[in-house]
Amino acid sequence: DTGVSQDPRHKITKRGQNVTFRCDPISEHNRLYWYRQTLGQGPEFLTYFQNEAQLEKSRLLSDRFSAERPKGSFSTLEIQRTEQGDSAMYLCASSSGSVTSGGGGYNEQFFGPGTRLTVL
Amino acid sequence: GQSLEQPSEVTAVEGAIVQINCTYQTSGFYGLSWYQQHDGGAPTFLSYNGLDGLEETGRFSSFLSRSDSYGYLLLQELQMKDSASYFCAVRDHSNYQLIWGAGTKLIIKP
Repeated sequence: DTGVSQDPRHKITKRGQNVTFRCDPISEHNRLYWYRQTLGQGPEFLTYFQNEAQLEKSRLLSDRFSAERPKGSFSTLEIQRTEQGDSAMYLCASSSGSVTSGGGGYNEQFFGPGTRLTVL
Repeated sequence: GQSLEQPSEVTAVEGAIVQINCTYQTSGFYGLSWYQQHDGGAPTFLSYNGLDGLEETGRFSSFLSRSDSYGYLLLQELQMKDSASYFCAVRDHSNYQLIWGAGTKLIIKP
């Protein structure tokens, strides 16, 4: 399977604990995105990497959230001092740098299965 | 600010045609995308419109009118497996992120 993978698929933690999620994008994709999705809503953008550079971070993102993509391949998202409001599905997506008339680039993103976080 | 509006729910009959509308308000515009998401699954890219007009991909078509800040997704010959949520998303020139609508839940009845 050469799709986007995420680990773990589910995480239950207690309020105040730190959690870290991993994303492995499609190997030839240089663009990687993190989103958060709650029930009945569309994905909410968190941050974007092009290769190893973090080029954009949501202004809504608390400083408890940090993400890395150290070698331009896999990425990690860490949430420190988790709160109940952090409970959500965390989605990772990747895309290629090629833009076509049918999509590509930033518009055609390939998503992983997500990590469902529950904060008790 | 940036916002997208789409109906929260649409119901249709198997074999019929359904249209899901999306209106957007952005500071710039760089294309409208559509994604499908089944319950418990990840979003899957369906189509993209960078220019005005109709794009067709099998049973699915997507339309864009930039002057009206409006687009729609057309699903033909509906099948039960099309029951899912459908999201429109736009990117403007100023940043790299996609802005997503809240999604339209498509319910298909036999």
